[in-house]
Amino acid sequence: EVQLLDSGGGLVQPGGSLRLSCAASGFTFSNYAMTWVRQAPGKGLEWISVISYSGTTIFYADSVKGRFTVSRDNSKNTLYLQMNSLRVEDTAVYYCAKRSPEVAGSFDYWGQGTLATVTS
Amino acid sequence: DIQLTQSPSFLSASVGDRVTITCRASQDISSYLAWYQQKPGKAPKLLIYAASTLQNGVPSRFSGSGSGTQFTLTISSLQPEDFATYFCQQLNTYPITFGQGTRLEIK
Repeated sequence: EVQLLDSGGGLVQPGGSLRLSCAASGFTFSNYAMTWVRQAPGKGLEWISVISYSGTTIFYADSVKGRFTVSRDNSKNTLYLQMNSLRVEDTAVYYCAKRSPEVAGSFDYWGQGTLATVTS
Repeated sequence: DIQLTQSPSFLSASVGDRVTITCRASQDISSYLAWYQQKPGKAPKLLIYAASTLQNGVPSRFSGSGSGTQFTLTISSLQPEDFATYFCQQLNTYPITFGQGTRLEIK
């Protein structure tokens, strides 16, 4: 059974940092691209970043480019999101998701989400 | 960026009704469109990918159609567990974008 476990959220002041983790199990993690999506309270879904299976190809949304860094450790079956220079508008539930293998694949499995709250 | 506009944003319907949600893309995205269902406090769940392919385990009352810029999600006979928010998503071009969501509530 595919499982994704998001963790690392919490309360942080503007300008601070958080590192989110997504522990994967139930599939061969190193074979699949992974992605992060966030959802501000009461709002819609916003795609943030995608990383290829090998970690060599990465894309970011403009809203986080230069502040957030996605990475993966295939030996630990874990995806990461390093969030720096956090802003109040970064407050959201952050979900990791597995990308399905077809071309331009959709997000077929999701973590439960972890809440990051940026407030002074 | 490719904008996705869902209509309606809110829909009130009864168990057994047939409902259709529309997603319009600001430019041609071929068939690189997915639909997700989200219930309060839960992660989104993939329903349809490649515009019309049903994800494994999703009931057959859900169907998707369309290509290019116009897409639809249809639920043929609403069940109590279908009352949720639905999002479309385009995967044709980065940045990947989502529609604003359609909230489906019980009449």
